[in-house]
Amino acid sequence: KQEVTQIPAALSVPEGENLVLNCSFTDSAIYNLQWFRQDPGKGLTSLLLIQSSQREQTSGRLNASLDKSSGRSTLYIAASQPGDSATYLCAVDDGSSNTGKLIFGQGTTLQVKP
Amino acid sequence: EPEVTQTPSHQVTQMGQEVILRCVPISNHLYFYWYRQILGQKVEFLVSFYNNEISEKSEIFDDQFSVERPDGSNFTLKIRSTKLEDSAMYFCASRQTGNTIYFGEGSWLTVV
Repeated sequence: KQEVTQIPAALSVPEGENLVLNCSFTDSAIYNLQWFRQDPGKGLTSLLLIQSSQREQTSGRLNASLDKSSGRSTLYIAASQPGDSATYLCAVDDGSSNTGKLIFGQGTTLQVKP
Repeated sequence: EPEVTQTPSHQVTQMGQEVILRCVPISNHLYFYWYRQILGQKVEFLVSFYNNEISEKSEIFDDQFSVERPDGSNFTLKIRSTKLEDSAMYFCASRQTGNTIYFGEGSWLTVV
Protein backbone atom coordinates (compact mmCIF):
# COMPACT_ATOMS: atom_id res chain seq x y z
CA LYS A 1 0.00 0.00 0.00
CA GLN A 2 1.42 3.38 -1.04
CA GLU A 3 2.38 5.69 1.81
CA VAL A 4 3.50 9.30 1.36
CA THR A 5 5.55 11.07 4.01
CA GLN A 6 6.68 14.68 4.19
CA ILE A 7 9.53 16.03 6.25
CA PRO A 8 9.72 18.37 8.05
CA ALA A 9 6.18 18.86 9.36
CA ALA A 10 6.89 22.54 9.90
CA LEU A 11 9.56 24.97 8.82
CA SER A 12 10.24 28.59 9.68
CA VAL A 13 12.75 30.61 7.67
CA PRO A 14 13.68 34.26 7.24
CA GLU A 15 12.64 36.00 4.07
CA GLY A 16 15.01 35.54 1.15
CA GLU A 17 16.23 32.12 2.11
CA ASN A 18 16.24 29.22 -0.34
CA LEU A 19 14.58 26.12 1.07
CA VAL A 20 13.81 22.49 0.29
CA LEU A 21 10.75 20.50 1.23
CA ASN A 22 10.94 16.72 1.13
CA CYS A 23 8.46 14.06 0.11
CA SER A 24 8.98 10.31 0.12
CA PHE A 25 6.78 7.49 -1.11
CA THR A 26 7.02 3.77 -0.42
CA ASP A 27 6.15 2.32 -3.83
CA SER A 28 8.26 3.65 -6.70
CA ALA A 29 5.75 2.52 -9.35
CA ILE A 30 4.00 5.88 -9.58
CA TYR A 31 2.20 7.50 -12.48
CA ASN A 32 2.85 11.08 -11.44
CA LEU A 33 3.54 13.27 -8.42
CA GLN A 34 2.04 16.65 -7.67
CA TRP A 35 2.86 19.42 -5.27
CA PHE A 36 0.00 21.54 -3.90
CA ARG A 37 -0.24 24.63 -1.79
CA GLN A 38 -2.93 24.99 0.88
CA ASP A 39 -3.62 28.26 2.67
CA PRO A 40 -5.36 28.03 6.07
CA GLY A 41 -9.00 27.05 5.68
CA LYS A 42 -8.73 27.04 1.90
CA GLY A 43 -8.61 24.58 -0.95
CA LEU A 44 -5.63 23.03 -2.67
CA THR A 45 -3.81 24.78 -5.49
CA SER A 46 -1.73 22.67 -7.83
CA LEU A 47 1.82 24.03 -8.10
CA LEU A 48 3.73 21.48 -10.13
CA LEU A 49 3.05 18.09 -11.67
CA ILE A 50 5.86 15.70 -12.53
CA GLN A 51 5.14 12.73 -14.75
CA SER A 52 6.86 9.46 -13.85
CA SER A 53 9.15 9.81 -16.88
CA GLN A 54 10.32 13.29 -15.87
CA ARG A 55 13.07 14.28 -13.46
CA GLU A 56 11.99 17.82 -12.66
CA GLN A 57 9.56 20.63 -13.33
CA THR A 58 9.98 24.36 -12.82
CA SER A 59 7.55 27.20 -12.36
CA GLY A 60 8.94 30.59 -11.43
CA ARG A 61 10.78 30.29 -8.12
CA LEU A 62 9.63 26.70 -7.64
CA ASN A 63 11.47 23.62 -8.79
CA ALA A 64 10.30 20.09 -8.11
CA SER A 65 12.45 17.05 -8.66
CA LEU A 66 11.55 13.40 -8.79
CA ASP A 67 13.72 10.36 -8.12
CA LYS A 68 11.44 7.39 -8.58
CA SER A 69 14.03 4.75 -7.80
CA SER A 70 14.66 6.17 -4.34
CA GLY A 71 11.02 7.13 -3.79
CA ARG A 72 11.72 10.81 -3.26
CA SER A 73 10.68 14.21 -4.47
CA THR A 74 11.84 17.63 -3.37
CA LEU A 75 10.25 21.04 -3.77
CA TYR A 76 12.83 23.81 -3.93
CA ILE A 77 11.66 27.36 -3.26
CA ALA A 78 14.12 30.07 -4.20
CA ALA A 79 14.30 33.46 -2.50
CA SER A 80 11.37 32.78 -0.19
CA GLN A 81 8.83 35.53 0.52
CA PRO A 82 6.28 35.99 3.33
CA GLY A 83 3.56 35.28 0.74
CA ASP A 84 4.97 31.76 0.39
CA SER A 85 3.76 30.98 3.92
CA ALA A 86 1.32 28.06 3.57
CA THR A 87 1.13 24.30 3.86
CA TYR A 88 2.71 22.41 1.00
CA LEU A 89 1.31 19.00 0.16
CA CYS A 90 2.83 16.26 -1.93
CA ALA A 91 0.51 13.75 -3.59
CA VAL A 92 1.13 10.65 -5.65
CA ASP A 93 -0.98 9.02 -8.35
CA ASP A 94 0.28 5.47 -8.27
CA GLY A 95 -1.78 4.54 -11.33
CA SER A 96 -3.06 1.43 -9.60
CA SER A 97 -6.68 2.24 -10.31
CA ASN A 98 -6.56 4.32 -13.49
CA THR A 99 -8.91 6.82 -11.85
CA GLY A 100 -6.40 9.54 -11.03
CA LYS A 101 -6.80 8.96 -7.30
CA LEU A 102 -4.20 10.87 -5.28
CA ILE A 103 -2.48 9.74 -2.10
CA PHE A 104 -1.37 12.67 0.01
CA GLY A 105 1.38 13.31 2.49
CA GLN A 106 0.60 15.14 5.70
CA GLY A 107 2.14 18.37 4.47
CA THR A 108 4.87 20.78 5.49
CA THR A 109 3.71 24.04 7.02
CA LEU A 110 6.03 26.83 5.97
CA GLN A 111 6.36 30.19 7.65
CA VAL A 112 8.51 32.82 5.99
CA LYS A 113 9.28 35.65 8.38
CA PRO A 114 9.79 39.20 7.07
CA GLU B 1 -9.46 31.10 -14.71
CA PRO B 2 -12.14 28.41 -14.40
CA GLU B 3 -12.62 27.05 -10.93
CA VAL B 4 -14.39 24.37 -8.96
CA THR B 5 -17.02 25.89 -6.69
CA GLN B 6 -18.43 24.30 -3.55
CA THR B 7 -21.40 25.08 -1.34
CA PRO B 8 -21.91 25.51 1.52
CA SER B 9 -18.56 26.75 2.76
CA HIS B 10 -19.50 25.72 6.29
CA GLN B 11 -22.34 23.62 7.66
CA VAL B 12 -23.17 22.60 11.21
CA THR B 13 -25.50 19.64 11.56
CA GLN B 14 -26.89 17.44 14.29
CA MET B 15 -25.65 13.86 14.53
CA GLY B 16 -27.92 11.55 12.56
CA GLN B 17 -29.04 14.21 10.11
CA GLU B 18 -28.57 14.00 6.36
CA VAL B 19 -26.17 16.40 4.69
CA ILE B 20 -25.70 17.23 1.01
CA LEU B 21 -22.54 18.97 -0.11
CA ARG B 22 -22.62 20.53 -3.54
CA CYS B 23 -19.97 21.10 -6.14
CA VAL B 24 -19.88 22.64 -9.59
CA PRO B 25 -16.83 21.19 -11.38
CA ILE B 26 -15.10 22.95 -14.25
CA SER B 27 -17.43 22.70 -17.21
CA ASN B 28 -15.46 20.58 -19.69
CA HIS B 29 -13.98 18.24 -17.09
CA LEU B 30 -14.75 14.54 -17.18
CA TYR B 31 -13.42 13.14 -13.89
CA PHE B 32 -14.82 14.15 -10.52
CA TYR B 33 -13.66 13.44 -7.00
CA TRP B 34 -14.46 13.93 -3.36
CA TYR B 35 -11.70 14.06 -0.78
CA ARG B 36 -11.87 14.88 2.90
CA GLN B 37 -9.46 16.27 5.46
CA ILE B 38 -10.10 15.76 9.15
CA LEU B 39 -8.55 18.58 11.15
CA GLY B 40 -4.81 18.01 11.52
CA GLN B 41 -4.81 14.90 9.33
CA LYS B 42 -3.97 14.02 5.74
CA VAL B 43 -6.23 14.69 2.79
CA GLU B 44 -7.96 11.37 2.08
CA PHE B 45 -9.56 10.10 -1.10
CA LEU B 46 -13.25 9.24 -0.84
CA VAL B 47 -14.59 8.56 -4.31
CA SER B 48 -14.01 9.12 -8.00
CA PHE B 49 -16.75 9.48 -10.63
CA TYR B 50 -16.52 9.14 -14.39
CA ASN B 51 -19.03 8.60 -17.16
CA ASN B 52 -21.92 8.93 -14.72
CA GLU B 53 -20.79 6.23 -12.37
CA ILE B 54 -18.46 5.63 -9.48
CA SER B 55 -15.09 4.48 -10.79
CA GLU B 56 -13.45 3.92 -7.42
CA LYS B 57 -14.27 4.38 -3.75
CA SER B 58 -12.25 4.12 -0.58
CA GLU B 59 -13.00 2.12 2.56
CA ILE B 60 -14.26 5.36 4.13
CA PHE B 61 -16.99 5.63 1.48
CA ASP B 62 -19.45 3.23 3.08
CA ASP B 63 -23.22 2.89 2.63
CA GLN B 64 -23.78 6.20 4.43
CA PHE B 65 -22.20 8.06 1.52
CA SER B 66 -23.48 8.56 -2.00
CA VAL B 67 -22.65 10.77 -4.96
CA GLU B 68 -24.74 12.08 -7.81
CA ARG B 69 -24.37 14.18 -10.89
CA PRO B 70 -28.04 15.03 -11.30
CA ASP B 71 -28.01 17.60 -14.08
CA GLY B 72 -24.70 17.55 -15.92
CA SER B 73 -23.23 20.45 -13.96
CA ASN B 74 -23.62 19.75 -10.25
CA PHE B 75 -21.82 16.97 -8.40
CA THR B 76 -23.10 16.18 -4.93
CA LEU B 77 -21.94 14.20 -1.93
CA LYS B 78 -24.65 12.99 0.42
CA ILE B 79 -24.07 11.68 3.91
CA ARG B 80 -27.26 9.94 5.04
CA SER B 81 -26.87 9.83 8.80
CA THR B 82 -23.96 11.93 9.98
CA LYS B 83 -21.66 10.84 12.79
CA LEU B 84 -19.34 12.95 14.91
CA GLU B 85 -16.36 11.49 13.06
CA ASP B 86 -17.69 12.83 9.75
CA SER B 87 -16.64 16.31 10.87
CA ALA B 88 -14.05 17.36 8.31
CA MET B 89 -13.33 19.60 5.36
CA TYR B 90 -14.72 18.00 2.21
CA PHE B 91 -13.05 18.88 -1.07
CA CYS B 92 -14.49 18.43 -4.51
CA ALA B 93 -12.05 18.14 -7.42
CA SER B 94 -12.21 17.69 -11.15
CA ARG B 95 -9.93 17.19 -14.11
CA GLN B 96 -10.06 16.91 -17.87
CA THR B 97 -8.24 14.09 -19.55
CA GLY B 98 -4.87 15.45 -18.47
CA ASN B 99 -3.38 14.93 -15.06
CA THR B 100 -3.71 18.36 -13.46
CA ILE B 101 -6.48 18.21 -10.90
CA TYR B 102 -8.36 21.26 -9.69
CA PHE B 103 -9.73 21.45 -6.18
CA GLY B 104 -12.53 23.55 -4.78
CA GLU B 105 -12.25 25.69 -1.64
CA GLY B 106 -13.88 23.00 0.46
CA SER B 107 -16.98 22.61 2.59
CA TRP B 108 -16.32 22.50 6.29
CA LEU B 109 -18.76 20.09 7.98
CA THR B 110 -19.20 20.14 11.74
CA VAL B 111 -21.34 17.40 13.28
CA VAL B 112 -22.55 18.13 16.81
